Formats: sequence, structure tokens, C-alpha cells
Amino acid sequence: EVQLVESGGGLVKPGGSLRLSCAASGFTFSSYSMNWVRQAPGKGLEWVSSISSSSSYIYYADSVKGRFTISRDNAKNSLYLQMNSLRAEDTAVYYCARDKGVVVYDYWGQGTLVTVSS
Amino acid sequence: DIQMTQSPSTLSASVGDRVTITCRASQSISSWLAWYQQKPGKAPKLLIYDASSLESGVPSRFSGSGSGTEFTLTISSLQPDDFATYYCQQYNSYRTFGQGTKVEIK
Repeated sequence: EVQLVESGGGLVKPGGSLRLSCAASGFTFSSYSMNWVRQAPGKGLEWVSSISSSSSYIYYADSVKGRFTISRDNAKNSLYLQMNSLRAEDTAVYYCARDKGVVVYDYWGQGTLVTVSS
Repeated sequence: DIQMTQSPSTLSASVGDRVTITCRASQSISSWLAWYQQKPGKAPKLLIYDASSLESGVPSRFSGSGSGTEFTLTISSLQPDDFATYYCQQYNSYRTFGQGTKVEIK
């Protein structure tokens, strides 16, 4: 069974940093591109970042470019999102999601809440 | 950037109704469109990809159509489990989601 489990969310002050993790199991992690998608409270979905299976290709939404860094460790079946210079508008539930292979997301984690507030 | 606009924002319907949700792209995205269903407090669930391909395990009452800039998600006979929010997503250029359509009980 495919499982994605996010961790690392919490309350952080504006300008602070946080590192999210996503532990994957039930599939060959190293064969799939992975993604972070976020959802602000009561709002819609926003794609944040994508990383290819071998980390050769990395993409970011304009809203996080230069502040967030996506990475992965295929030996540990883990995906990461380093978030720096956090802003109030980064407050959201952050989901990790597996890329089905056609840039759509067939499996999602349960999400981890990041709250940026003083 | 490609913008995705869904209509309506909210839809009131009854069990058994045929429901159609529209998603329009600000420029042509060929057939690079997916649909997701999300229930409160849960992660989204993939329903349709490549505009009309049904994801494995998704009931056949869900169908998608369209190409270019206009797309539709149709639920042929609304079931109690279908009351949720639906999002379209383009993947022609990066990835953009629509703002969502909430299907509520009439």
C-alpha cells in the first residue's frame, strides 16, 4: 500500500525557517517524481514545488522561488522541503504528493500544518 | 502564467442529479487537465487525467471531456459520497489549480 507521511509542520515566526519531511513507503520511491502542494486555510490548492526521480529537474512556484528548497533522499525514501524567510501567506497545510508520471498526483499524504505568525 | 477558472463556485444538487462543472484555461492546454475531489480535512483524490482518462478505482459515473481551453467534469448520477469540492489542474505549463467548485446538498 502506498503511504506518504508528512512531518515537521508547526508554528514559526515571520522570517523563520522550517523543514518539512515526507516519508514514503509501498512503492519504488526512486522511480517517481515528487511534489509539494499547499492549501491555505479555507482556500484552494497551490502547487509549490516538484523534483524529478533523480533530482535532475527541480521546479518552484514563483511565490516560493528563492525561499524554499525541495530535495530528496532516495536511499531513505524521503522527500524534504526547506522553507526559509517564511511569511504569513505561507500559512497552509502542506501535502506531499506522488507524480503519476503525467504530472498529476495519484497519491497524497495527510498533510502537515505550517502556521507563520508572531 | 496559465490561469484556470472554474464555474460555478458552488453548486447545489440532489442525489441522482446529473452534475456538470466547467473549467476554463486562459490559454490552450491541449488535453493536459486533471480533476480532483477533496472532502473536508482530507487530501485531494485524483479522478480524471489527460482530460478524459478515468483514474483506476474511480466510479464510472465520473467523466471528463474537453480540450484546448474548455473542459467539463460530469457526474452522471450524484451519490451521497460525491458531495465535496472539485478542483481542476492544468499541467501544460508548470501546474495550476482552479479555485474549486463545492458541490453541496440541495
